[in-house]
Amino acid sequence: DAGITQSPRHKVTETGTPVTLRCHQTENHRYMYWYRQDPGHGLRLIHYSYGVKDTDKGEVSDGYSVSRSKTEDFLLTLESATSSQTSVYFCAIKSGTGSQPQHFGDGTRLSIL
Amino acid sequence: GENVEQHPSTLSVQEGDSAVIKCTYSDSASNYFPWYKQELGKRPQLIIDIRSNVGEKKDQRIAVTLNKTAKHFSLHITETQPEDSAVYFCAAPSNEKLTFGTGTRLTIIP
Repeated sequence: DAGITQSPRHKVTETGTPVTLRCHQTENHRYMYWYRQDPGHGLRLIHYSYGVKDTDKGEVSDGYSVSRSKTEDFLLTLESATSSQTSVYFCAIKSGTGSQPQHFGDGTRLSIL
Repeated sequence: GENVEQHPSTLSVQEGDSAVIKCTYSDSASNYFPWYKQELGKRPQLIIDIRSNVGEKKDQRIAVTLNKTAKHFSLHITETQPEDSAVYFCAAPSNEKLTFGTGTRLTIIP
């Protein structure tokens, strides 16, 4: 298994509260990605990183921010959580540029009440 | 950006029969096509991928075919077994990102 750890694995919180999800890798891979998975929508990219302090938006970035201060850690923050952000969040990593596979972490199930 | 369509959304086959899942993509520059399998409550796992310099790739009971002219690629599973029951996702690249299909729920009927 790829050395990816997501934390927490499960979280329940209330609307309006800030939430931070962490993705930690031990592979020293350059690229890291955050996806959300919802029924009928597959995996949709939220944000990704191509190096320390280098990030870019995906297709569903509104309401989310990210940070990458170290190669091994990629944080996803919901500044003020809404019920529409209830989802399963997956982190993925990729070793280099071009045609390389992405490998996924075990996911975080986030419920916002 | 890339647009990926995947069909069917659900598929039921008898154990031992074959299953085929099809995807189309929009960006003719795309050159790498992975397939992922996701069991219930688990992470997506890469099962096979193909690059645009080949038309077919096999790994035991699974194979992927690619038609670059028509911009579609397919996953073939032969001699299906109960453990093949899962959701399968295709994907196509756009720069350093992947765009995923919406998934196919495959059910193997014993």
